[in-house]
Amino acid sequence: NAGVTQTPKFRVLKTGQSMTLLCAQDMNHEYMYWYRQDPGMGLRLIHYSVGEGTTAKGEVPDGYNVSRLKKQNFLLGLESAAPSQTSVYFCASSHKLTNYGYTFGSGTRLTVV
Amino acid sequence: GENVEQHPSTLSVQEGDSAVIKCTYSDSASNYFPWYKQELGKGPQLIIDIRSNVGEKKDQRIAVTLNKTAKHFSLHITETQPEDSAVYFCAAPTANQAGTALIFGKGTTLSVSS
Repeated sequence: NAGVTQTPKFRVLKTGQSMTLLCAQDMNHEYMYWYRQDPGMGLRLIHYSVGEGTTAKGEVPDGYNVSRLKKQNFLLGLESAAPSQTSVYFCASSHKLTNYGYTFGSGTRLTVV
Repeated sequence: GENVEQHPSTLSVQEGDSAVIKCTYSDSASNYFPWYKQELGKGPQLIIDIRSNVGEKKDQRIAVTLNKTAKHFSLHITETQPEDSAVYFCAAPTANQAGTALIFGKGTTLSVSS
């Protein structure tokens, strides 16, 4: 039972490049979330999804897009990376009954140069 | 939407002392308040939570208290140990027509020295 798996774990991008971060969970959770963590800023919610085919904006959605085509996967896309998007990205999931009992992945460290 | 403020940002204690971290929230409708612990290089892990129908909850050396009138809640760690050293986050739910998600405080770095 892997829980929440994020790929890749590390990535360096050049300004303007695009990439997709993948989050996969094997717990049959309905809800999935993307957060970014920056020094002194805590965890900030980017986008989230309460079910397959549905997404919603969080606190800092600009510059990111998401898709939830399958229940177990939640993709975070950067269409044109900027240095301000250098961060550690965490994915989390939760069951609709417990709702807030989040299980987090181990993070993706992204550097945009 | 919800706004969560957390204090202090850093906290240093001696092994065996107690540690207290405080959070305030803005939405009086919020009814669930979790605390997460993040160790270096890992994702946050839920350590304790409290719902709005109780004022205090304990789990061994950790406890959480809630004051709904003042809209603040606190994490209490007693008899601290070096392995308690980590970053701690409080959170509260925000809700809109699309559903709910947790809004986190900025975190407290706890250092326990032996």
